[in-house]
Amino acid sequence: TQLLEQSPQFLSIQEGENLTVYCNSSSVFSSLQWYRQEPGEGPVLLVTVVTGGEVKKLKRLTFQFGDARKDSSLHITAAQPGDTGLYLCAGGSNQAGTALIFGKGTTLSVSS
Amino acid sequence: GAVVSQHPSRVICKSGTSVKIECRSLDFQATTMFWYRQFPKQSLMLMATSNEGSKATYEQGVEKDKFLINHASLTLSTLTVTSAHPEDSSFYICSARDFGRVTYNSPLHFGNGTRLTVT
Repeated sequence: TQLLEQSPQFLSIQEGENLTVYCNSSSVFSSLQWYRQEPGEGPVLLVTVVTGGEVKKLKRLTFQFGDARKDSSLHITAAQPGDTGLYLCAGGSNQAGTALIFGKGTTLSVSS
Repeated sequence: GAVVSQHPSRVICKSGTSVKIECRSLDFQATTMFWYRQFPKQSLMLMATSNEGSKATYEQGVEKDKFLINHASLTLSTLTVTSAHPEDSSFYICSARDFGRVTYNSPLHFGNGTRLTVT
């Protein structure tokens, strides 16, 4: 069974600080996706990484896929209160019809 | 972009009754839809994989007789919580991939979830 370990589980920081969320597995994933979820809503896709070593940037968010495609990180620079939410990493296989495996999530709270 | 519509968004029911949740892909066909359950401040736990025209595949520990899944068309899957109990209270979310672009890196499109409260 493929598992994704996500850390930290909770993070409370001040506006302007930087943070990194980690997603690790002993298994290789064909792709890894990061989602952000607001309370009472479904997750919204932030990014998909598919190539080992890949780095993608989305404004103040930087996503990296490990060389061996077993781990990923999300780095937020100069966090803002609007970044508050639940961040989820999810790993995918190359088989159509298979579900994503989700990490346990990181609840981020950014206070002003 | 692809949209998945889930209905209802909130439902309150009495213990012992059944509740049906609908999940529709609005602008694409989905041979496979996924049903997740989420507890407060926790991640999504896969309950079952819904396959159009065939039986759903349930994850270990999920009672198939309690959580009935029907995927009658390429755009609609339903989850029925039968004889609901307070411990079934949770946030249920469906998701689907675009049938026309099923590749290993195609993302899941999520519905907005259904908050079920059983009293």
